[in-house]
Amino acid sequence: GENVEQHPSTLSVQEGDSAVIKCTYSDSASNYFPWYKQELGKRPQLIIDIRSNVGEKKDQRIAVTLNKTAKHFSLHITETQPEDSAVYFCAASGGATNKLIFGTGTLLAVQP
Amino acid sequence: NAGVTQTPKFQVLKTGQSMTLQCAQDMNHEYMSWYRQDPGMGLRLIHYSVGAGITDQGEVPNGYNVSRSTTEDFPLRLLSAAPSQTSVYFCASSGRTGAYEQYFGPGTRLTVT
Repeated sequence: GENVEQHPSTLSVQEGDSAVIKCTYSDSASNYFPWYKQELGKRPQLIIDIRSNVGEKKDQRIAVTLNKTAKHFSLHITETQPEDSAVYFCAASGGATNKLIFGTGTLLAVQP
Repeated sequence: NAGVTQTPKFQVLKTGQSMTLQCAQDMNHEYMSWYRQDPGMGLRLIHYSVGAGITDQGEVPNGYNVSRSTTEDFPLRLLSAAPSQTSVYFCASSGRTGAYEQYFGPGTRLTVT
């Protein structure tokens, strides 16, 4: 079955810097790659997603890139702000079942 | 719309007790799933359903049962609670499959002593 690995587990940046979180997946049939943000004590919420027919997608300060050959995808946050502090999860879905498998999460701390 | 609702919000069980975590959605979503969240382990898929009458196992199904008799409801049953099942449980739904935006419920924090 699908396995998603996520790095780093924790990331600390200064306000205004960029943050990059990387994920790899194992199932070459996966074709949908979302990123979720979870603030402390709250439920995960989708922030951006990408499908396998696209190499990059951007939404204001966040962007996701996908390398299907290498089976990895990354989340890029530019001009980080304290409100970006949260846990970020990558995930992958596809194949025969289309079930969604998550990575282990990255705790991002933006220092003011 | 209420979205995805879960009850209870908090629960304490003794080892060996059974209980059902409730999940309901009012968005007419076909796909529903249960995840457990543990520190450092991310969100792990327990069971999922692609429609009424259809369920399947996820990554960590042992010790849990599900059923899907209606489109709206997807309860998760703990047959004989164990301390290893102490976790936060999230229910999620989406319009079609896992390959679309998941809408999460608020979660149930379960402690097994």
